Order: sequence, then C-alpha cells, then structure tokens
Amino acid sequence: GQQLNQSPQSMFIQEGEDVSMNCTSSSIFNTWLWYKQDPGEGPVLLIALYKAGELTSNGRLTAQFGITRKDSFLNISASIPSDVGIYFCAGKINTGTASKLTFGTGTRLQVTL
Amino acid sequence: GAVVSQHPSWVICKSGTSVKIECRSLDFQATTMFWYRQFPKQSLMLMATSNEGSKATYEQGVEKDKFLINHASLTLSTLTVTSAHPEDSSFYICSVTRGPYGYTFGSGTRLTVV
Repeated sequence: GQQLNQSPQSMFIQEGEDVSMNCTSSSIFNTWLWYKQDPGEGPVLLIALYKAGELTSNGRLTAQFGITRKDSFLNISASIPSDVGIYFCAGKINTGTASKLTFGTGTRLQVTL
Repeated sequence: GAVVSQHPSWVICKSGTSVKIECRSLDFQATTMFWYRQFPKQSLMLMATSNEGSKATYEQGVEKDKFLINHASLTLSTLTVTSAHPEDSSFYICSVTRGPYGYTFGSGTRLTVV
C-alpha cells in the first residue's frame, strides 16, 4: 500500500534540544495526524491538522499542515527523555468516518541525557 | 477519542494453528474498525476495514481467507489468523474511528508463530 515518506529516519539528540521532522506525499491529503508509538504499544495521537496552512500546538509540540496539502512537519521543543519513541505521520483523504489512514515510514527519536 | 481494548497483548502459537485477536470499543459503538499489521522497525500497514454487520474490506494483497474478520457487534471486532506460519509473526493493532477525525488505537497484539 501507499506510504508517506518521513525524514529523518532516525535522530539522536541531547536532552533540551529542539527536534524537527517532516512528512511528504505525492498525493493530497485533507487531514494530517501525528502519532507517537512507544515499544510494544499502539500509536497515540499527538496532533491533528484539518486545514491547509494550519499551525497547531500541543504543549511542546507544534505541527503544520502544508499549503500544498502534500506535506506536514512536527517540531518538538526542549526535548526530554520521555520523548523517546517512534513518531508517525498519517494522512487521510476523505472526511468520512470510514476513511482509511495512510501512515508514514516513521522517525525514531533517541534522547540522550 | 474512544477507549479501545485489545486482547491478548501477546500470544505464541504453533505453526498450523489458528489465533483469534479481539478488539473492543469500551465506550463507543463503533460501526467501523481497522486492523493493521506492523513488522519490526516498520510502519503500520492497513490490512482491512471491519464493518459491523457486513463483510470486511481487505486491502490489496491481504488474504481474506487467512485473516478472518468478524464484526458481529458494535463493540467487538475479531481478527483470526488461520493456519498461522512463522511469516505471520507480527504486531497486530486495531483502531476505532469515532467521528470524522478521531482514530484511537488498541495497545496491540504481538503474535509469534513457532
């Protein structure tokens, strides 16, 4: 199936640093979602974006829905050890309740003290 | 979002046997649930869309006779991996959609076929 391309694939940063990751697609999406997955767990929603150009924050997290509707980025400020995990973007084409999500390839974040 | 319970969290089975995984929506009547498979260090790949009271819709390349989905009630969908083989070993995750934007995921089931 189709996947969204995320970069970077992995990151090793020091506690306190800011993090930026992005997600690109060859197709247009009408909704962008960012999830975090801890080992052995299901993904947990961080931020949802519904309109092109939208910039949304959730605590130290900020995400934007690209103007072209083909990309999105996620920033994490002042990283802490519990930010460790895999971050996935996900896109949705339609707004219906039965619409499928397409997931990105993931960005693995490691935070060192 | 909805509260989703997935069971079991892990299971080991012998090659050739069948395994059933349950996904329950605890606080929401879900007409649609989704089943994903995730191999180590890879992303989530949608396997099928589970529809209450009707047949599931499978993604291209997913064998419907091997991965049986039953969504007999608004709170329960089950995925049965039939005649499991080692290559079916994976992390299986269900998702419940609540409204046009909310997708809540279960905690996943780690299947190991030996």
